[in-house]
Amino acid sequence: EAGVTQFPSHSVIEKGQTVTLRCDPISGHDNLYWYRRVMGKEIKFLLHFVKESKQDESGMPNNRFLAERTGGTYSTLKVQPAELEDSGVYFCASSQGTYYGELFFGEGSRLTVL
Amino acid sequence: SQKIEQNSEALNIQEGKTATLTCNYTNYSPAYLQWYRQDPGRGPVFLLLIRENEKEKRKERLKVTFDTTLKQSLFHITASQPADSATYLCALDDKIIFGKGTRLHILP
Repeated sequence: EAGVTQFPSHSVIEKGQTVTLRCDPISGHDNLYWYRRVMGKEIKFLLHFVKESKQDESGMPNNRFLAERTGGTYSTLKVQPAELEDSGVYFCASSQGTYYGELFFGEGSRLTVL
Repeated sequence: SQKIEQNSEALNIQEGKTATLTCNYTNYSPAYLQWYRQDPGRGPVFLLLIRENEKEKRKERLKVTFDTTLKQSLFHITASQPADSATYLCALDDKIIFGKGTRLHILP
């Protein structure tokens, strides 16, 4: 069974440009999470989807970040326009049903904003 | 706001010994607590989950304890091996709030 896949693995963009990160969760997992790790800091929660609905987006830094989950399958996280402080590793994770815990993480998308 | 602290950024343990990592939290009463392992350049991998009404959980060479009075969890790796070297993350429930992690080095 395929795990959580994220694309791209690494993206280098200039300040002001737009980047879209994609996450494909494990098939059948209703819960999809986005997290971010900035260098030297802990992994921080961004938002949580249950199927196609945003359950909790309290961790989204500002309105430059837009997350969507089409038809409850894959999800995208768009940063527009990107700023230097957006650099970091963006992780996606998924889990089954209503059981909180045992998140399955992707390998992350490293974003570098120059 | 909730705060999680993991006892040290890095920990060196001799192979074969027991490694003990500490996770303390404040301003929160989690229903459960989790431990993850993260290798460089990889995503975290789930190891164990312990609920507030459980004192201890074991899985092979791993043992987790949860003391809700002390607001602390201990993570033990017995008979440690060099392959156990990684960063270990403690996480609280709900949004899965992570600590910064402890880099564990098992010395051969």
